[in-house]
Amino acid sequence: ELILTQSPATLSLSPGEGATLSCRASQNVGSLVTWYRQKPGQAPKVLIWDSSNRASGTPVRFSGSGSGTDFTLTISSLEPEDSAVYYCHHCDYRRITFGQGTRLEI
Amino acid sequence: VQMVEFGGGLVQPGGSLRLSCTASGFSFRDFSMHWARQVPGKGLDWVARINNDGSDKTYADSVKGRFTISRDNTKRMLYVQMNDVRVDDTAVYYCIREEGQVLTWGQGTMVTVSS
Repeated sequence: ELILTQSPATLSLSPGEGATLSCRASQNVGSLVTWYRQKPGQAPKVLIWDSSNRASGTPVRFSGSGSGTDFTLTISSLEPEDSAVYYCHHCDYRRITFGQGTRLEI
Repeated sequence: VQMVEFGGGLVQPGGSLRLSCTASGFSFRDFSMHWARQVPGKGLDWVARINNDGSDKTYADSVKGRFTISRDNTKRMLYVQMNDVRVDDTAVYYCIREEGQVLTWGQGTMVTVSS
């Protein structure tokens, strides 16, 4: 069974700083990891798909990288609106595995 | 692309509830669909998946034997029948469209299991 482990659990940073969020898979998932952002009271919204592809509407200060078992979401020059919980996930066409999330506080 | 869930509410332990999701803005019959849930303030939990024509279904161990996912492509509707519900089934339930690795989410419907 695939497990996705996100770190850190919580990240507190100031506006203008950069953030690095990690998602580690318990087995090789190629490049098939997607990143989401969820704000309070809202459904998750896709940011990055297939490890490094920015979704439509995702600001360029968001970037993704990684393959195999280690994946990173990088946010440059944080803005107050970036406060949210960030999740990674992998879909193997029969089930979805979610990471437990990283709470980013600006 | 839009999915709207409904049918949530308060149900007693051991009871039943059917959630529905109406889809619009895309060719519903071409996509696999999922249900996932989230306890308020907690993480995301996958519940079940159904392929585009309804011939293949998979379930999380926590709901297997109690929940049944189904769809009606003529009505553009996704369902989950929840039987023998438990207190720990309390959550916001989301309808999700799968497009490769990209998931599109509805806004969710709250289910509360309590006596």
